[in-house]
Amino acid sequence: SQTIHQWPATLVQPVGSPLSLECTVEGTSNPNLYWYRQAAGRGLQLLFYSVGIGQISSEVPQNLSASRPQDRQFILSSKKLLLSDSGFYLCAWGGTSGSLTGELFFGEGSRLTVL
Amino acid sequence: SQQGEEDPQALSIQEGENATMNCSYKTSINNLQWYRQNSGRGLVHLILIRSNEREKHSGRLRVTLDTSKKSSSLLITASRAADTASYFCATTPLSRGGFKTIFGAGTRLFVKA
Repeated sequence: SQTIHQWPATLVQPVGSPLSLECTVEGTSNPNLYWYRQAAGRGLQLLFYSVGIGQISSEVPQNLSASRPQDRQFILSSKKLLLSDSGFYLCAWGGTSGSLTGELFFGEGSRLTVL
Repeated sequence: SQQGEEDPQALSIQEGENATMNCSYKTSINNLQWYRQNSGRGLVHLILIRSNEREKHSGRLRVTLDTSKKSSSLLITASRAADTASYFCATTPLSRGGFKTIFGAGTRLFVKA
């Protein structure tokens, strides 16, 4: 069966520090991968999605970037964090190789607090 | 901007009652999905309804879709305290190539025992 791992679960970072959140998927090949951010008590904002290695689509201009160095690995990064980057970051996968996406499977999330 | 908007934003009911949540969206879609999120956790997929379907059931869940009104509803029958969570509708817009899933702001459901 497929599983999705996301880490770290929580982190507290100072403003201006770098960020790296990692997500890996097991049990499937060529997944479509997604990063969402959720502000407290709010819905999910799509940040990035990827339909293949090295293929990244950005949804909103921001202080973050994403990379997909391997088929089942998706990384969210920042060179210098801002206070506004605080939030709950969720990785998800759904569908394969750019095919029509149905249901999404989510990781347990990474809660980032920037001080 | 968000594709889906849920209504109400929050709902408090007694155990055993039914809970109805509504979702409206803006553009033509491939499918609409409902998810559940317990506090501080990831989202869990509940049910998917395709654009050519009007109603779907799964256990105590009933979902309807009206593409002419661009709206959907989620009904949870005989609610339990364990149903307390946030519920989100999500759509896969046709114009986005089918790769993107866009979420609404969610409905927070509280079921009192």
